Amino acid sequence: SQTIHQWPATLVQPVGSPLSLECTVEGTSNPNLYWYRQAAGRGLQLLFYSVGIGQISSEVPQNLSASRPQDRQFILSSKKLLLSDSGFYLCAWSPMNEQFFGPGTRLTVL
Amino acid sequence: SQQGEEDPQALSIQEGENATMNCSYKTSINNLQWYRQNSGRGLVHLILIRSNEREKHSGRLRVTLDTSKKSSSLLITASRAADTASYFCATTNTGFQKLVFGTGTRLLVSP
Repeated sequence: SQTIHQWPATLVQPVGSPLSLECTVEGTSNPNLYWYRQAAGRGLQLLFYSVGIGQISSEVPQNLSASRPQDRQFILSSKKLLLSDSGFYLCAWSPMNEQFFGPGTRLTVL
Repeated sequence: SQQGEEDPQALSIQEGENATMNCSYKTSINNLQWYRQNSGRGLVHLILIRSNEREKHSGRLRVTLDTSKKSSSLLITASRAADTASYFCATTNTGFQKLVFGTGTRLLVSP
């Protein structure tokens, strides 16, 4: 069966520091992969999606970037975090229609 | 933007009652999905209804879709305290499967 992992679960970082969040999927190949951000009490905002290795599409201009160095690995990065980058970050994969979400990373930028 | 909006934003009911949540969207869709999110956790897919379907059932869940009104409803029958969560609708249009999520309904079921 398929499993999606995200780490870390929580992260507190100072403004201006770098960021790297990792997401890996097991039990499937060539999945579509997604990064979302969820502000407190709000819906999900799609940040990036990827249909294959090295293929990244950005949905909104921002301080973040994404990479897919391997088929089942999706990384969310920033060179310098802003206060507004705080939120709950969710990775998801999709074989077809529905999406399967990881447990999320709660990022607090101080 | 195609972002959906759920209504109500929050719903509080007693165990055993039915809970109905509504979702409206703006553009034509390929399918509409409902997801559930427990506090501080990832989302879990509940049910998918295609644009050519009008109603779908899964256990205690009933979803309807009215494409003429660009709206959907999620009914949870005989609710339980464990149903307490936030519920989101999400739509996809033709082409690549990008989900556009609504703002969610927070459901509280009291024992």
